Amino acid sequence: DTEVTQTPKHLVMGMTNKKSLKCEQHMGHRAMYWYKQKAKKPPELMFVYSYEKLSINESVPSRFSPECPNSSLLNLHLHALQPEDSALYLCASSQNTGIEAFFGQGTRLTVV
Amino acid sequence: AQSVTQLDSQVPVFEEAPVELRCNYSSSVSVYLFWYVQYPNQGLQLLLKYLSGSTLVKGINGFEAEFNKSQTSFHLRKPSVHISDTAEYFCAVTLYSGAGSYQLTFGKGTKLSVIP
Repeated sequence: DTEVTQTPKHLVMGMTNKKSLKCEQHMGHRAMYWYKQKAKKPPELMFVYSYEKLSINESVPSRFSPECPNSSLLNLHLHALQPEDSALYLCASSQNTGIEAFFGQGTRLTVV
Repeated sequence: AQSVTQLDSQVPVFEEAPVELRCNYSSSVSVYLFWYVQYPNQGLQLLLKYLSGSTLVKGINGFEAEFNKSQTSFHLRKPSVHISDTAEYFCAVTLYSGAGSYQLTFGKGTKLSVIP
């Protein structure tokens, strides 16, 4: 199994809603990542988990809250988002940080 | 510090013609280099990687890239493109972020458009 699975594929939420994005991998990878990608731009790193511990937080607003319940799962909790947070959110994993990352198909998030 | 420069934002090319997508990096230390492809509304798929060893790297879908340390380049090539190669291509390099941790830094991307 070489897949990173993200759910949901699409999400529309209001600015007062609370929602979560989910990511799962069964490759035994110990590093997991959240990226944000705006249209026609490269992915921007948000968070890195290494061995289930948050190792990098790229100055992301607190309305985004990551969680790593175990080595296979990564969540991104969303609360009080703004319309400018609308983007494609990508999850990735790698055996260790710095080695090639495998990406999921992303969640297309629209904040209304 | 490390950064990645993709010199062309858009590259149109006729079907069955060869293509080269250019990537330069800046780094004072050894690097790992990658090319990813992204089709519309999809995630990123790894095309190929350079970690060490042979400087000519072959990837999926007939793509290859050559690591050139003296020119700090990692250009992506394909001898004959297909319509299905139309996509966004990202060059990426590892960035040491401290405490033994690394992260990927992406170039701005090159949109490859294959013309029938």
